Amino acid sequence: QVQLQESGPGLVKPSETLSLTCTVSGGSISNYYWSWIRQPPEKGLEWIGYVYYTGSTKYNPSLESRATMSLDTSSNQFSLKVSSVTAADTAVYFCARRFTTNPKYCFDYWGQGILVTVSS
Amino acid sequence: AIQMTQSPSTLSASVGDRVTITCRASQGIRNDLGWYQQKPGKAPKVLIYAASNLQSGVPSRFSGSRSGTDFTLTISSLQPEDFATYYCLQDFDYPLTFGGGTKVEIK
Repeated sequence: QVQLQESGPGLVKPSETLSLTCTVSGGSISNYYWSWIRQPPEKGLEWIGYVYYTGSTKYNPSLESRATMSLDTSSNQFSLKVSSVTAADTAVYFCARRFTTNPKYCFDYWGQGILVTVSS
Repeated sequence: AIQMTQSPSTLSASVGDRVTITCRASQGIRNDLGWYQQKPGKAPKVLIYAASNLQSGVPSRFSGSRSGTDFTLTISSLQPEDFATYYCLQDFDYPLTFGGGTKVEIK
């Protein structure tokens, strides 16, 4: 059974960089797209972007080029960095696997989520 | 970005009720839409993919359909464990976008 687990600081100061890691267990990181999705308190879901197992990436323009994703196949981990954070970046951050075998496209495995608060 | 307009935002229903939630896409997205259920403090869980395909392990009381750019999630007979928030997600084009969510509450 595939499991994902987010880790990283729960508190980040304004203007600094948020850094999170997602560790994948029970399966390989290869051949899948790996995404980050966030949810501000009491609000809806926002897709941040993906990193493919080859290292290629795509981001949501709403983050205005502040997001960077990478992965480490040797440790079965992928990561997210968001620079110049503000209070608006306070959210629960989820990592998720996207299954992409036509016609089935969906986020089939998710981490439990990690709350990141931006505050001084 | 493709906008997904989900309605209603809140729905009050009783156990056994038939419940319908709708998402309208701002442009054509073929059948590239999924439905997710989220319970408080938990990650979302996929229910339906490709508009009408039931994810493995999801009860058959959940179903999805499409008419043009309108997509519907139907719960045929609401069960106590179905009280949750539901989101649609278009995966036709990037950025992937979610609907605003529908909270299904106990009447």
